[in-house]
Amino acid sequence: EIVLTQSPGTLSLSPGERATLSCRASQSVSSTYLAWYQQKPGQAPRLLIYGASSRATGIPDRFSGSGSGTDFTLTISRLEPDDFAVYYCQQFGSSSLYTFGQGTKLEIK
Amino acid sequence: QVQLVESGGGLVKPGGSLRLSCAASGFTFSDYYMSWIRQAPGKGLEWVSDITSSSAYTNYADSVKGRFTISRDNAKNSLYLQMNSLRVEDTAVYYCARFYGALDYWGQGTRVTVSS
Repeated sequence: EIVLTQSPGTLSLSPGERATLSCRASQSVSSTYLAWYQQKPGQAPRLLIYGASSRATGIPDRFSGSGSGTDFTLTISRLEPDDFAVYYCQQFGSSSLYTFGQGTKLEIK
Repeated sequence: QVQLVESGGGLVKPGGSLRLSCAASGFTFSDYYMSWIRQAPGKGLEWVSDITSSSAYTNYADSVKGRFTISRDNAKNSLYLQMNSLRVEDTAVYYCARFYGALDYWGQGTRVTVSS
């Protein structure tokens, strides 16, 4: 089973700053099936990035994804107040098994 | 617009059963794989199960294998999760989600509490 490890666990930044969130896989992951989600308290997760780097419908261009193999990154170029939330990476791998990372909480500094 | 609405959650004793439903609308349900994902209180996301568009294949997390059964009725645009032999650790919000390269649409979730 592929394990996804996200870092940092908590990231404290101010609006306007740049956020860089990491997702590291225990073995190589197909970029095609690497996604990022945003979840706010009391809400369902929302798809941000699919295929490692493609923005989902309606997602602002300040969100970008990159990476391949075992190292993937979600970057938020200029943080807005609405961006403070928990972010999860996820992969869909062999044997049709999905794995989520443990999440990174992005909090206001 | 795509809409997924879960129902069927509630309070159940350990060893009991529940059947969750997910009503889909706004897209051709029979064209898509569907999944169940859960989130225990204060914890992260855990994938539970998925099913192919025609129900030909199903997959389960090891934590629920042999206890949970996923199914769908394409004529009713509905996804189901039959949960048997429930354990305290199954307590969570259960989400259904559509899969199209990623889990692109999610319902708002239904809460399941397993407690004596």
